[in-house]
Amino acid sequence: GQQVMQIPQYQHVQEGEDFTTYCNSSTTLSNIQWYKQRPGGHPVFLIQLVKSGEVKKQKRLTFQFGEAKKNSSLHITATQTTDVGTYFCAGPRAGGTSYGKLTFGQGTILTVHP
Amino acid sequence: DVKVTQSSRYLVKRTGEKVFLECVQDMDHENMFWYRQDPGLGLRLIYFSYDVKMKEKGDIPEGYSVSREKKERFSLILESASTNQTSMYLCASSLTGGPTEAFFGQGTRLTVV
Repeated sequence: GQQVMQIPQYQHVQEGEDFTTYCNSSTTLSNIQWYKQRPGGHPVFLIQLVKSGEVKKQKRLTFQFGEAKKNSSLHITATQTTDVGTYFCAGPRAGGTSYGKLTFGQGTILTVHP
Repeated sequence: DVKVTQSSRYLVKRTGEKVFLECVQDMDHENMFWYRQDPGLGLRLIYFSYDVKMKEKGDIPEGYSVSREKKERFSLILESASTNQTSMYLCASSLTGGPTEAFFGQGTRLTVV
């Protein structure tokens, strides 16, 4: 079945350093979504990418969708302590009654040391 | 403002008990989901419902069942709780049609002893 792999599993950075997490799907995706889960919290939607090669920015966060629509990345410039949490990518399931069912990556846990 | 509410934040149950986890959304969403979150495994889909009384198994349905009698409410049932069902359970909802974001509840941390 469809698999969404995310690396790295953990990332420790000093405040001010950059951070990148990568997401790879075993199948071509119609879109990819990114979520952030703060410690003790629940996943919260960040963004959705739909077009091949799409790049979107949210302040210090840059999201990319690969040309083949099978991979994606999230890059944070100059991390802050407020960036701590787990970042998940998610792609819609292919075929059948998909109805918004998502396959999530394992997540990248980001720790930022002040 | 969109809201998904889970009935309990923390729950401790004994092995063999029947456990009910309740989820209510106020956004008139057609789709509702139950996920299980474990360290290193991400979010795994247990069950999914795309309409009242309609349900589909997800990736890990064994030991679980669901009920959706009303559009806004989706219940997860552990028929006979076991220690390997100790986990964080997350309910989510979304609209049908097109790429749409999922809205999550605050989660229920279930411990089975």
